[in-house]
Amino acid sequence: EVRLLESGGGLVQPGGSLRLSCAASGFTFNTYAMSWVRQAPGKGLEWVSGISVTGDNTYFADSVKDRFTISRDHSDNTLYLQMNSLRAEDTAVYYCARLQFSGYNYGSPFDYWGQGTLVTVSS
Amino acid sequence: EIVLTQSPGTLSLSPGERATLSCRASQRVSSSYLAWYQQKPGQAPRLLIYGTSSRATGIPDRFSGSGSGTDFTLTISRLEPEDFAVYYCQQYGRSPTFGGGTKVEIK
Repeated sequence: EVRLLESGGGLVQPGGSLRLSCAASGFTFNTYAMSWVRQAPGKGLEWVSGISVTGDNTYFADSVKDRFTISRDHSDNTLYLQMNSLRAEDTAVYYCARLQFSGYNYGSPFDYWGQGTLVTVSS
Repeated sequence: EIVLTQSPGTLSLSPGERATLSCRASQRVSSSYLAWYQQKPGQAPRLLIYGTSSRATGIPDRFSGSGSGTDFTLTISRLEPEDFAVYYCQQYGRSPTFGGGTKVEIK
């Protein structure tokens, strides 16, 4: 069974940093690209970042470029999102998601999602 | 960035009725790269349709997708009680974007 479990969310002050983790299990992690998607309270979905199968290529939404970093560790099947210079508008539930098609770095829908971790940016 | 506009914002229907949800793109989207998701309160989104019209694993055939170019549609042929939720369209090119969502509520 495919499982994605996010952790690392919490309350952080504006300008602060946080690192989110997503533990993956139930599939061959090193053959799937991954993404982060967020949802502000009461709002819609916003794609944040993606990472290729090998981790060599990363992609970011303009809203987080130069502030967020995405990475992956194949030794422990974990996806990360390092968030720096956090702003109030970054407050959201952050989901990790798997791209459906093995081997695709992009151009694939998201077939499995974690339950999300809440990040609150407030003083 | 491709902007997706969903309409209507809210659809009030009764169980057994047909639901038709629209998704319009600001520029042409390849039919291979258009998906629909369902989200219920407190839950993660669930993939329903990909490639405009292909149902994801385990999705009942009352859900169908169609469209091309800039106009896409999700149809639920007969609403079941568990179908009342928010639905999002998505284009999944190199920089994916989502529509703002359509809430299907019980009339």
